[in-house]
Amino acid sequence: LAKTTQPISMDSYEGQEVNITCSHNNIATNDYITWYQQFPSQGPRFIIQGYKTKVTNEVASLFIPADRKSSTLSLPRVSLSDTAVYYCLGGDTGGFKTIFGAGTRLFVKA
Amino acid sequence: DAGITQSPRHKVTETGTPVTLRCHQTENHRYMYWYRQDPGHGLRLIHYSYGVKDTDKGEVSDGYSVSRSKTEDFLLTLESATSSQTSVYFCAISDRTDYQETQYFGPGTRLLVL
Repeated sequence: LAKTTQPISMDSYEGQEVNITCSHNNIATNDYITWYQQFPSQGPRFIIQGYKTKVTNEVASLFIPADRKSSTLSLPRVSLSDTAVYYCLGGDTGGFKTIFGAGTRLFVKA
Repeated sequence: DAGITQSPRHKVTETGTPVTLRCHQTENHRYMYWYRQDPGHGLRLIHYSYGVKDTDKGEVSDGYSVSRSKTEDFLLTLESATSSQTSVYFCAISDRTDYQETQYFGPGTRLLVL
């Protein structure tokens, strides 16, 4: 199983760029890396997914180095509403044992 | 949200009583999941389904059973509720491939077992 490791919490200020790095040393060759966001009292919400290099959408960018042992979620110019828990997931080829872990709790301050 | 509803949204019950939570989807996705979320533990997988009548255990399946008699519904049953099952329960759906998956989550059910 592709367990992931990410910081427990991070603080930032409004308008700053936030980078959250996740390590997934034993990710399988063909598995994708997926990030979710969760606000209090809501279910997680898909943010971005990638396999290698860089992926960008309207919400975030995802950077994945060539060895794919880590990935970095980049949130440009965060606002107070970006305060949430962010989960990094590596795939689990051959099974369905998705492991969310505890995620990274991001606090955005005014 | 991607056509997923959970019922009830809130429930209070007593220890020893059976409880059934329902997850309903309108997306026709093959895969469905039940998670529980407790402070300090993130989300933990209870059971999952990979098709009608096809289910399997997840990380924390003891004390829970599931059923899926049709594509759109996935039921989670606590046979005899205990206080340790007080939690927030999330259902998720996905249409995964071998290597790629995006899960869509329901709004959650808050369960309190007294």
